[in-house]
Amino acid sequence: SQQGEEDPQALSIQEGENATMNCSYKTSINNLQWYRQNSGRGLVHLILIRSNEREKHSGRLRVTLDTSKKSSSLLITASRAADTASYFCATDQAGGFKTIFGAGTRLFVKA
Amino acid sequence: GAVVSQHPSRVICKSGTSVKIECRSLDFQATTMFWYRQFPKQSLMLMATSNEGSKATYEQGVEKDKFLINHASLTLSTLTVTSAHPEDSSFYICSARRQTGNTIYFGEGSWLTVV
Repeated sequence: SQQGEEDPQALSIQEGENATMNCSYKTSINNLQWYRQNSGRGLVHLILIRSNEREKHSGRLRVTLDTSKKSSSLLITASRAADTASYFCATDQAGGFKTIFGAGTRLFVKA
Repeated sequence: GAVVSQHPSRVICKSGTSVKIECRSLDFQATTMFWYRQFPKQSLMLMATSNEGSKATYEQGVEKDKFLINHASLTLSTLTVTSAHPEDSSFYICSARRQTGNTIYFGEGSWLTVV
């Protein structure tokens, strides 16, 4: 399969709670990115973490990367109803030029 | 503002006809562009990698004669869905890799409905 795995596939939480999404991939990478997609819309780039980085923050977002386990996590703190969307991880594969997407997590934040 | 523009954003075509989707990098040169397809509630599947001035590289299972890709300039790649069928209805998204710096930018996507 082209895709890596993401879990959970769907997540429903209350506003104010934290949301954690996980992503695993198959090959060595140059970097990993997280995107958000609102229903029926294009992609919004959230954050990029390079293969030599272990953690990165951007506002309410915290991303970790464990290259030994080929996995990453995205934490959204103090979630808001507007965070409701699908979240995808995407990897730029080492030695290549392709960006491959994970299966995605659908997040629903209840007001 | 958008740095990669896709056109049209929505298109409806009749079964058996062909439809062309354009992907333009607006203020940078892109030697490589990528085309993805996304079915409802699914992830983005890479269809092909488009390199300026050469033939596209298609992913396994993607019919190159059905999905024609042309990358004639450093700012434009086109995807033509030939002899479209209802099962080709999908969301198609392109991305462009900036020649300098290697950053990738995504277009807004194009909804194709084949009736």
